[in-house]
Amino acid sequence: QSVLTQPPSASGTPGQSVTISCSGSSSNIGSNIVNWYQQLPGTAPKLLIYFNDHRPSGVPDRFSGSKSGTSASLAISGLQSEDEADYYCAAWDDSLNGWVFGGGTKLTVL
Amino acid sequence: EVQLVESGGGLVQPGRSLRLSCAASGFTFDDYGMHWVRQAPGKGLEWVSGITWNSGSKGYADSVKGRFTISRDNAKHSLHLQMNSLRAEDTALYYCAKATYSSFDYWGIDFWGQGTLVTVSS
Repeated sequence: QSVLTQPPSASGTPGQSVTISCSGSSSNIGSNIVNWYQQLPGTAPKLLIYFNDHRPSGVPDRFSGSKSGTSASLAISGLQSEDEADYYCAAWDDSLNGWVFGGGTKLTVL
Repeated sequence: EVQLVESGGGLVQPGRSLRLSCAASGFTFDDYGMHWVRQAPGKGLEWVSGITWNSGSKGYADSVKGRFTISRDNAKHSLHLQMNSLRAEDTALYYCAKATYSSFDYWGIDFWGQGTLVTVSS
């Protein structure tokens, strides 16, 4: 059972938009930043969104992040087949004194 | 270009020890905190341990506290994870990862290595 809760799966057709949620608590998302990572099949994770809503250089602006209270969201617009991957949210937890991840959301582009 | 190359994984019996290493290049290693994160086969990501730029502070997940020790050698641009009293549930791909800043808390990870596989089995 992960400390951060994500839906196990999400899907959409090419060109559509999809949103992935990440729910936490006051000790993690509620008081710290959220990062999002993309893990393509068979590869290492890659930073997708940092500090809640910032994109590293090279990440398309189709990807956006937001945070409100103890929840965060990753939105992907204009879905492409290459977006098929596992997506993870992460935050520092002040009670556990460690990083916590969501269980991951497997995105399928139909 | 940032590069993190892990080594030291393999098959080990329960109760035995293993030492993982990570060779870093492409950035000023001693300016940044570092992490170990693992991923069991077919499962999600689990943070294992973190260390500040100067080894002044270290953190561990409850699942490995007292058994694993993180360390770094800034002169050799290397990160290590000493794993003792290994259990079957430690079986995973272990990633070396670079922190965004000098600490390992708050800001998180901005780059990951490709991982080294540890299998604990008799």
